[in-house]
Amino acid sequence: GQSLEQPSEVTAVEGAIVQINCTYQTSGFYGLSWYQQHDGGAPTFLSYNALDGLEETGRFSSFLSRSDSYGYLLLQELQMKDSASYFCVATDSWGKLQFGAGTQVVVTP
Amino acid sequence: NAGVTQTPKFRVLKTGQSMTLLCAQDMNHEYMYWYRQDPGMGLRLIHYSVGEGTTAKGEVPDGYNVSRLKKQNFLLGLESAAPSQTSVYFCASSYAVSQGLQLHNEQFFGPGTRLTVL
Repeated sequence: GQSLEQPSEVTAVEGAIVQINCTYQTSGFYGLSWYQQHDGGAPTFLSYNALDGLEETGRFSSFLSRSDSYGYLLLQELQMKDSASYFCVATDSWGKLQFGAGTQVVVTP
Repeated sequence: NAGVTQTPKFRVLKTGQSMTLLCAQDMNHEYMYWYRQDPGMGLRLIHYSVGEGTTAKGEVPDGYNVSRLKKQNFLLGLESAAPSQTSVYFCASSYAVSQGLQLHNEQFFGPGTRLTVL
């Protein structure tokens, strides 16, 4: 079947670095996205990897290895506002998204 | 520029009642989507549309119908509500997806509708 696996929760202190790993098994895989969702809010797009390697956007970086069916999101210089759920999302060749269950990141002072 | 809006924000239904959720976008996007999100889970695709007048089934379409009569609107209908349909419903939109290129389907989400079926 199709699935994306990511840890359920990660806790870290302000200023730290957090890495959220994602392994996927999906048909028609085209790329890997990451979305952020604050409690009670809508998901918002963070990054997208279609090719192997690292993509950097400010404090956030995302990595993809197609041969390993693996990716990660790296959050640097953690801030309290980064407390949210982060979803690993597979894009298929038709542009449809399949979401993982999400990783809740808790940032403590 | 309001982005993606959803109506209503909250709704409580009794089992067997019907209702329609409205999604509107002002970004001239071709593609629109309806998702549901249950507690502690990711979003699951219900139905989607790749253009005005077209719709297709997603991962969990049973019990729902959709219509896309105008490009900017995408309606989700519940014909006979069941408690299992208690969820948060999100609408999203995106630009048309071009195959063969570096596919990048950033979706823009509405604020959600919290639906409770008693």
